[in-house]
Amino acid sequence: GENVEQHPSTLSVQEGDSAVIKCTYSDSASNYFPWYKQELGKRPQLIIDIRSNVGEKKDQRIAVTLNKTAKHFSLHITETQPEDSAVYFCAASISGYSTLTFGKGTMLLVSP
Amino acid sequence: DSGVTQTPKHLITATGQRVTLRCSPRSGDLSVYWYQQSLDQGLQFLIQYYNGEERAKGNILERFSAQQFPDLHSELNLSSLELGDSALYFCASSVEGVFGYTFGSGTRLTVV
Repeated sequence: GENVEQHPSTLSVQEGDSAVIKCTYSDSASNYFPWYKQELGKRPQLIIDIRSNVGEKKDQRIAVTLNKTAKHFSLHITETQPEDSAVYFCAASISGYSTLTFGKGTMLLVSP
Repeated sequence: DSGVTQTPKHLITATGQRVTLRCSPRSGDLSVYWYQQSLDQGLQFLIQYYNGEERAKGNILERFSAQQFPDLHSELNLSSLELGDSALYFCASSVEGVFGYTFGSGTRLTVV
């Protein structure tokens, strides 16, 4: 089955800096890669996703890049703010009919 | 409110007991997924149901079982509970063929 590795497990940045979280996946058939943000004690929420037919997608301060050849994708957050502090999960799936396999998460801490 | 309703929010029970967690998906969503989130294990997929039938199975213990009813709500039954079963249990739902999940707020299970 699919295996998703996520790094780093913890990331500390100063407010205003950029943050990058990286994930690799094992199944070359995977074609959907979402990112979820989970604040303490709350549910994971989808913040951005990308499909295999595009290499990059941007939404305001967040962007995701995908390298299908290398089987890795990354989340980029620019101009970080304290409210960006949360656990971020990457995931992968083969289609809309299959389950999501999640990475183990990255705890992002943004210091004022 | 995500539209996915999970009850109860908190549950404290003793080892060896049995509990039932309930999930009502978003209106129109036919797929329900159950995930277990422990402190250092991220989001572990347990089981998926689609329109009343089991669609996929993950790392679900034999002591655990689930079902989806004709009204599409789902129940996760956990029996012979052990201390290690203490975790957050999330339910998510999706429209089949459409990428991405919506998570409920979770049930925090504490086994003492």
